[in-house]
Amino acid sequence: SQQGEEDPQALSIQEGENATMNCSYKTSINNLQWYRQNSGRGLVHLILIRSNEREKHSGRLRVTLDTSKKSSSLLITASRAADTASYFCATFTGSARQLTFGSGTQLTVLP
Amino acid sequence: EAQVTQNPRYLITVTGKKLTVTCSQNMNHEYMSWYRQDPGLGLRQIYYSMNVEVTDKGDVPEGYKVSRKEKRNFPLILESPSPNQTSLYFCASSPGDKFNEKLFFGSGTQLSVL
Repeated sequence: SQQGEEDPQALSIQEGENATMNCSYKTSINNLQWYRQNSGRGLVHLILIRSNEREKHSGRLRVTLDTSKKSSSLLITASRAADTASYFCATFTGSARQLTFGSGTQLTVLP
Repeated sequence: EAQVTQNPRYLITVTGKKLTVTCSQNMNHEYMSWYRQDPGLGLRQIYYSMNVEVTDKGDVPEGYKVSRKEKRNFPLILESPSPNQTSLYFCASSPGDKFNEKLFFGSGTQLSVL
């Protein structure tokens, strides 16, 4: 069953702008991860945030986690055309030996 | 180069004709998993394996089989494919103690069952 739901489903911005996408989940988590998928290719791990963390940075990526609202956001600053991809959140609950993925946000960065 | 290799990249078959999608990783990972990706549904886990000879069902195992005879290989078997198994399939692996923190994905297999 789907745990994470990304919002918006699709996002189109100009190069240089910031992109924000959100993920909501249903049950308590141990950690939440973000992955990127270039068109039809395999997913690539971007960043992980643990349930006891509120914010994490990696290069141009900033992830926040609000466990009280069961939501996370991924901010990509100063976007580039190469950031065009689908972005998925994935949660690990501990009760199941798997990550559960959302349906993704399709980001298009226009040059 | 550390990688997860899936073959074939594209496969078109007919209903009922048994097929195998291979997955191999060269990172000595204990954990391996198969996902299918369908529009609007994200990735759903089919089967996973915590180590050699240890496999377990994911969320959508019906119509699929797996085996884990060697650490590096985790083939996905469709004994009698049906059109509803048309999908994009991904194999993933991870160190056994990190399977919940980071998955390494293959490039995917696009399967069409006619």
